[in-house]
Amino acid sequence: QVTLKESGPGILQPSQTLSLTCSFSGFSLSTSGICVSWIRQPSGKGLEWLATICWEDSKGYNPSLKNRLTISKDTSNNQAFLKITSVDTADTAIYYCARSLPYFDYWGQGVMVTVSS
Amino acid sequence: EIVLTQSPTTTAASPGEKVTITCLASSSVSNMYWYQQKSGASPKLLIYSTSSLASGVPDRFSGSGSGTSYSLTINTMEAEDAATYYCQQWSSNPPTFGGGTKLELK
Repeated sequence: QVTLKESGPGILQPSQTLSLTCSFSGFSLSTSGICVSWIRQPSGKGLEWLATICWEDSKGYNPSLKNRLTISKDTSNNQAFLKITSVDTADTAIYYCARSLPYFDYWGQGVMVTVSS
Repeated sequence: EIVLTQSPTTTAASPGEKVTITCLASSSVSNMYWYQQKSGASPKLLIYSTSSLASGVPDRFSGSGSGTSYSLTINTMEAEDAATYYCQQWSSNPPTFGGGTKLELK
């Protein structure tokens, strides 16, 4: 059974760094072909892909945010991470992690992140 | 980046009615994926590789298309199908989503 669960700070202030963790089970990020992605959704709006990390440690970033994003993984502990630097109110959203195949077949429940002073 | 344009943006259907949602890509893509998102829930994969049903998805859902034009069809609308639907491509980077189609029960 594949499950993913996101965790994060809940609320942070503008200019801070957002750190998110995706803890998953039922698959391994050391398995060939497996990737994990981060996707976000502002309240009432659509889905925006942020970044992907794959089993061989290749990484991809959304060009519109590339300089602010860092994705990483801890294969032994079945976790993936995303850092977003210099957040502002536009980064307020639900953040999802999802297994990627190249479609997103399993999603976490999402974690709400609010950027507010 | 490839822009995906969905239509309609919002629609309503009665139980038993057929529903078709269209996704137009700004450049040709080799496959399209479709997701269903109910209020307050995470997106759920419905269709992969244009026309293959994800596990557990009722067969009243189907997908078709090629090149720049794709569609998702619900053959007979049921109350539980009220949701927002998104198309997605990853034929080229970055992967992109359509803006969504909100389907309401009439």
